[in-house]
Amino acid sequence: GAGVSQSPSNKVTEKGKDVELRCDPISGHTALYWYRQSLGQGLEFLIYFQGNSAPDKSGLPSDRFSAERTGGSVSTLTIQRTQQEDSAVYLCASSSPGLGLFFGSGTQLSVL
Amino acid sequence: DAKTTQPTSMDCAEGRAANLPCNHSTISGNEYVYWYRQIHSQGPQYIIHGLKNNETNEMASLIITEDRKSSTLILPHATLRDTAVYYCIVSKRSSGNTGKLIFGQGTTLQVKP
Repeated sequence: GAGVSQSPSNKVTEKGKDVELRCDPISGHTALYWYRQSLGQGLEFLIYFQGNSAPDKSGLPSDRFSAERTGGSVSTLTIQRTQQEDSAVYLCASSSPGLGLFFGSGTQLSVL
Repeated sequence: DAKTTQPTSMDCAEGRAANLPCNHSTISGNEYVYWYRQIHSQGPQYIIHGLKNNETNEMASLIITEDRKSSTLILPHATLRDTAVYYCIVSKRSSGNTGKLIFGQGTTLQVKP
């Protein structure tokens, strides 16, 4: 596709359940980023991938959060045992050297 | 990465130029100034970036002071669709840097009819 694609666009889950969020970056982009944005707040960096490796995981809030990237393309962000404070919009972005970050439309996660 | 300071909010009349300031007094020599905007319920959108020289593209112009301690994003003819939160970010682009951007609170620009 032409842009960064994220799925699902909306996810409602119950507290304690696991969720998986998917990101398809722009074809050819080597770098991939996950951010989240709570209601009325700024963007919070979570993790960065270069290829399939994640040299910067400094923003992951807890060990319930993990992410992987396969084939230098698709990435999955997994949240285990979701909590209500995990409710937010999860944004994925991709980039290549010399370019800015191109963001997807995000996944709205609601934990009831 | 250097910290940036932006006004919390600004208003602009439709059709007029919107000038959004950003202070980055601790910027270092290899740090770029990036501008992004986020329209309600959408992901952030790249606008423009620069190092030393002024830059212009189809969306906006970026004016960076000679000492690089501040910059101004100019939307030459603001429209209602330019209403958004505008983020000024300073970041290195060296090969050893992850390229992640740290977003602050930005400036909420309200374009009014």
